[in-house]
Amino acid sequence: SAVISQKPSRDICQRGTSLTIQCQVDSQVTMMFWYRQQPGQSLTLIATANQGSEATYESGFVIDKFPISRPNLTFSTLTVSNMSPEDSSIYLCSVAGQGTGANVLTFGAGSRLTVL
Amino acid sequence: KNQVEQSPQSLIILEGKNCTLQCNYTVSPFSNLRWYKQDTGRGPVSLTIMTFSENTKSNGRYTATLDADTKQSSLHITASQLSDSASYICVVSLYNTDKLIFGTGTRLQVFP
Repeated sequence: SAVISQKPSRDICQRGTSLTIQCQVDSQVTMMFWYRQQPGQSLTLIATANQGSEATYESGFVIDKFPISRPNLTFSTLTVSNMSPEDSSIYLCSVAGQGTGANVLTFGAGSRLTVL
Repeated sequence: KNQVEQSPQSLIILEGKNCTLQCNYTVSPFSNLRWYKQDTGRGPVSLTIMTFSENTKSNGRYTATLDADTKQSSLHITASQLSDSASYICVVSLYNTDKLIFGTGTRLQVFP
């Protein structure tokens, strides 16, 4: 399965600032996904990053708040803009592979953001 | 509404003991069900994947079962080890889509 590197692994940010999270995959993948995991909560899909086109956002998430780049098939970034304490979460990058006839998601280690 | 519910929310067991985690879902139409293990500070790692026609799937000391009729799954951990301390997340895939429904997880702590 793919190996995913995410950075930063953690950061403490001030309210109103923005932070960009990077996701690097060791192989070319068609679809990359960005998830958010708020404290004590399940994972929630933010958007699907498509190479060569705009990201597809899930309900409740907008491009102005979470702009995403996907310049090639191995790299993507997620920016959390104008942060507030409610944005304190773990942000996870994942990619889809094929296994036993079903899609298998591989996740990065996550980026833990704390907004003060 | 498509939902995945897990129980218990948290569990404490002694090293060497067995335990079973439960997952009930209302996702329809169903494609497959996965169990992930998430260590603290790490991303989830896939343990098992089962399609509609599979009743059981093992991965070492982890055995998952699926009853598609009752829409229930369980994850049984045998002879638990300290390294089993983690959150276990049940994830159900919606048929013919890329949409995944995540459970809130069960937090397992194994003490010596």
